[in-house]
Amino acid sequence: DAGVIQSPRHEVTEMGQEVTLRCKPISGHDYLFWYRQTMMRGLELLIYFNNNVPIDDSGMPEDRFSAKMPNASFSTLKIQPSEPRDSAVYFCASSSKQGALVAFFGQGTRLTVV
Amino acid sequence: AQSVTQLDSQVPVFEEAPVELRCNYSSSVSVYLFWYVQYPNQGLQLLLKYLSGSTLVKGINGFEAEFNKSQTSFHLRKPSVHISDTAEYFCAVSVDSSYKLIFGSGTRLLVRP
Repeated sequence: DAGVIQSPRHEVTEMGQEVTLRCKPISGHDYLFWYRQTMMRGLELLIYFNNNVPIDDSGMPEDRFSAKMPNASFSTLKIQPSEPRDSAVYFCASSSKQGALVAFFGQGTRLTVV
Repeated sequence: AQSVTQLDSQVPVFEEAPVELRCNYSSSVSVYLFWYVQYPNQGLQLLLKYLSGSTLVKGINGFEAEFNKSQTSFHLRKPSVHISDTAEYFCAVSVDSSYKLIFGSGTRLLVRP
């Protein structure tokens, strides 16, 4: 398996624009997580899904953030409108019950909002 | 609420010296503990995990960690580090078999020649 695939790897956008980050989890994994990493706040869990259903979105910072998982092989994290303070590295990770809680991470999307 | 504390933000060490990266957690229920490593511009990868059983856990790249329930600690150790071990190391906890991981703030290990 190619691992968790995120796109794009880098995104630079202007304040106020909509940004969509994409993730393809490892095939067969039934949990998907979105994390945000910043110098100030470290790694924060934004939301996670089980079998495509959002289980806990308490980490989503504001209504400007939304996440979807239309099927088992694809998820998006959308920010609309984006703000400079959203600049961070966003990671997607997936895991499975058979995998004993181990989360496999993608390489991340570095988002810069100017 | 559960939390993870990594006491050192940066640990400088000379090559071939031993190293210990500290991690403490707070939780009143059963926990599962992990150490992940992050190399520059990459995602996190698992070093080792404690789910149950022996409190001494061995991982990849010669790392090991010991679960100490009375001290609520899960310190990471390596007897002899290499330049290639330079990276950021994250301790994480999962509570009550939840798949939700809570991460510490990370420790940057800097190995000098």
